[in-house]
Amino acid sequence: DAGVIQSPRHEVTEMGQEVTLRCKPISGHNSLFWYRQTMMRGLELLIYFNNNVPIDDSGMPEDRFSAKMPNASFSTLKIQPSEPRDSAVYFCASRGGVTKNIQYFGAGTRLSVL
Amino acid sequence: GENVEQHPSTLSVQEGDSAVIKCTYSDSASNYFPWYKQELGKRPQLIIDIRSNVGEKKDQRIAVTLNKTAKHFSLHITETQPEDSAVYFCAASPLDSNYQLIWGAGTKLIIKP
Repeated sequence: DAGVIQSPRHEVTEMGQEVTLRCKPISGHNSLFWYRQTMMRGLELLIYFNNNVPIDDSGMPEDRFSAKMPNASFSTLKIQPSEPRDSAVYFCASRGGVTKNIQYFGAGTRLSVL
Repeated sequence: GENVEQHPSTLSVQEGDSAVIKCTYSDSASNYFPWYKQELGKRPQLIIDIRSNVGEKKDQRIAVTLNKTAKHFSLHITETQPEDSAVYFCAASPLDSNYQLIWGAGTKLIIKP
């Protein structure tokens, strides 16, 4: 398996623009997590899904952020409109299968909002 | 809810010496405690984990100890090498069907040559 795949790897956009981050979890995993990482706030859980259903979105900063998981192999995190304070590295992770306790992270998307 | 505190935030040790990172948790229902390593510019990756029915677990130069009574667990790295330089995160969680990990703030480990 290729692991958790995120796209794009880097995104530079201007304030006010819509940003969509994408994630393909490991095949057979039934849980998916979106994290945000910054120097100031460390690793923050934004939302996680279990069997494509959002279980806890209490970490989503505000209404500008939304996440979907339309099927077991794809998830998106959308920011609309984006702001400079959204600049961070966004990680997607998945969990499940025989190694059910371990979260496997994607390579991350580095977002810069100018 | 669960809260995980991690200390120190930065640790600098001489190459070859040992390093110890400590975490405390608040929820007695937590029974799974992983440690992740994140090298600069890379993704976090699991290096070792322990469940509450075990007091200690070793994997080569890395070991984790757990004290359930005191609600703390520690990562021990012996004979440190330059490639051990990274940020280390501890986490805690109850093992149920919808569990999420509660993460510590991370420890930046610097190995001095």
